[in-house]
Amino acid sequence: QSALTQPPSASGSPGQSVTISCTGTSSNVGDHNHVSWYQQHPGRAPKLMIYEVTKRPSGVPDRFSGSKSGNTASLTVSGLQAEDEADYYCSTLAGHDTWVFGGGSKLTVL
Amino acid sequence: QVQLVQSGAEVRKPGASVKVSCKGSGYTFADSYIHWVRQAPGQGLEWMGIIKPRRDEATYAQRFQGRITMTSDTSTRTVYMELNRLRSDDTAIYYCTRDGGGWDFDFWGQGTPVAVTT
Repeated sequence: QSALTQPPSASGSPGQSVTISCTGTSSNVGDHNHVSWYQQHPGRAPKLMIYEVTKRPSGVPDRFSGSKSGNTASLTVSGLQAEDEADYYCSTLAGHDTWVFGGGSKLTVL
Repeated sequence: QVQLVQSGAEVRKPGASVKVSCKGSGYTFADSYIHWVRQAPGQGLEWMGIIKPRRDEATYAQRFQGRITMTSDTSTRTVYMELNRLRSDDTAIYYCTRDGGGWDFDFWGQGTPVAVTT
């Protein structure tokens, strides 16, 4: 059982927006802004998409955005494209030198 | 550019040990922390631990305590993860990944498949 809870799946049609949630506790997600999101295509290593809740690394399209409210962080993908179909994982600092991942959400582009 | 290159696939019997390496380039090796993350077949990501190369200091996830050792060699820019007393449920792809400084994982190795089988 993951310390962070994500929905197993999400879906949307091309051009639509989809939001994936990541629920933790007041001891992790709710305690600081060290929440990050990763995209993983089948057979590939994960890729950093969002860090520190809202920041995008260089090269990540601005269709990807992050936010947080209380103990829940969210990843929103706007203007869905076929290439966005992948698994998405959230992660956060969960204590001194300890990290946790969410269980992952499979995003399907219909 | 930052690169993390891992050692190749491994096959072990239950009860054995495996040691996976991860060589970094394109950044100041000693000043960047490295995490190890694994992914069992069809499953999600699992954080295993972190090593701080300059101090050769490591912290492990509780479930691996006593069975895992992470080390670093700054002269060869390589970190190692050794897992002992392997079980079939240790079958997974093992990734090394660099801490980006914001407590995130900004660059990843290509992954090392480890199969534990009789």
